[in-house]
Amino acid sequence: NAGVMQNPRHLVRRRGQEARLRCSPMKGHSHVYWYRQLPEEGLKFMVYLQKENIIDESGMPKERFSAEFPKEGPSILRIQQVVRGDSAAYFCASSPEDRYLTGELFFGEGSRLTVL
Amino acid sequence: AQTVTQSQPEMSVQEAETVTLSCTYDTSESDYYLFWYKQPPSRQMILVIRQEAYKQQNATENRFSVNFQKAAKSFSLKISDSQLGDAAMYFCAYRITTSGTYKYIFGTGTRLKVLA
Repeated sequence: NAGVMQNPRHLVRRRGQEARLRCSPMKGHSHVYWYRQLPEEGLKFMVYLQKENIIDESGMPKERFSAEFPKEGPSILRIQQVVRGDSAAYFCASSPEDRYLTGELFFGEGSRLTVL
Repeated sequence: AQTVTQSQPEMSVQEAETVTLSCTYDTSESDYYLFWYKQPPSRQMILVIRQEAYKQQNATENRFSVNFQKAAKSFSLKISDSQLGDAAMYFCAYRITTSGTYKYIFGTGTRLKVLA
């Protein structure tokens, strides 16, 4: 059973460009979370999605950032018109439908975005 | 406020010795899960141990154990017989249910160094 897959692992963008980060949850998982980690800092919650629905986007900036989790395909975190402050590691985590099984999140290896 | 506090940015332990990482949290919920995650230099977060808040017995996983004090909202991690492979960032987290959805809150992490 493959784990949470994120790509690209590394992404370099110039200011003003768009960044798209993809996350394929573990098989059978229908809940996806995105977190941002700045150097030497903890994980900051961004958005929580279920298939075709955004459940909680309270941690995501209102402008330039968007996320989706379509019925088919991976979840996408999209950052438009990137700025240097967007440089960070972005982690995706998934959980199964029946969260009462373990309650834990399963993490991907992260995507490191560098904005020049 | 929903917060997790890890007051030790960095800790060191001699190989084969025991170390305790502290964590306190703040929530008004009565039913929640608590977790310790490990983030090695490869960056993928790995679950170390979990605790259901309704259980009084402290969780243990081989060399890892917790001291869960619900009234004090404290959830420390004890690593016995420390090994070089234990060197990593350790994050304390909890999961609560809010408005029918799940929210995971992470601390800022403690960097553990293991000295040979």
